[in-house]
Amino acid sequence: AQSVTQPDIHITVSEGASLELRCNYSYGATPYLFWYVQSPGQGLQLLLKYFSGDTLVQGIKGFEAEFKRSQSSFNLRKPSVHWSDAAEYFCAVGGPNDYKLSFGAGTTVTVRA
Amino acid sequence: DSGVTQTPKHLITATGQRVTLRCSPRSGDLSVYWYQQSLDQGLQFLIQYYNGEERAKGNILERFSAQQFPDLHSELNLSSLELGDSALYFCASSVTPLATSYTFGSGTRLTVV
Repeated sequence: AQSVTQPDIHITVSEGASLELRCNYSYGATPYLFWYVQSPGQGLQLLLKYFSGDTLVQGIKGFEAEFKRSQSSFNLRKPSVHWSDAAEYFCAVGGPNDYKLSFGAGTTVTVRA
Repeated sequence: DSGVTQTPKHLITATGQRVTLRCSPRSGDLSVYWYQQSLDQGLQFLIQYYNGEERAKGNILERFSAQQFPDLHSELNLSSLELGDSALYFCASSVTPLATSYTFGSGTRLTVV
């Protein structure tokens, strides 16, 4: 069975500081991995995805994520957060032949001035 | 604007009632997926349609049903509503029947009172 664990329910970070959100997955084959962001009252927006190749993936809004197969992890990072990054972030896993994604419970990010 | 349109944005109804949620996929997308986001269950896959045909079912209750019409829009019907059905219902669409390229709508927030 496939599953995603996001160990941190809530993270508070100062504006301008770095941010790292953790994601651990369980998947029986080569995973396809995704990070989505959900701002209040909005839908889920894709930040980045990993299918294969370079394990460091660049996304939108200055985010990047690193796939580490040995650790079954796909952590999301941003070097310097902006107040507009306050949102809920979801990690998801699927596969090349999957019709659905399995989502983690999400991490809420609060940005303080 | 993601291109996936969901209506209504908010819905308040009483227990025992029936509601219909509507989703218009992004232009050119043939596949529609429905997800339920609740506080206790997180994001759960409900059902998928591809070019008018049901392709996959997830954790969808028997009280819930869906269909995709010839113009590719989809409707999710929820009946005999219970308080626990209160959630955010998302629609996503993609060109293929695979989860590799979802685009999410902004969701319908259903409140059952």
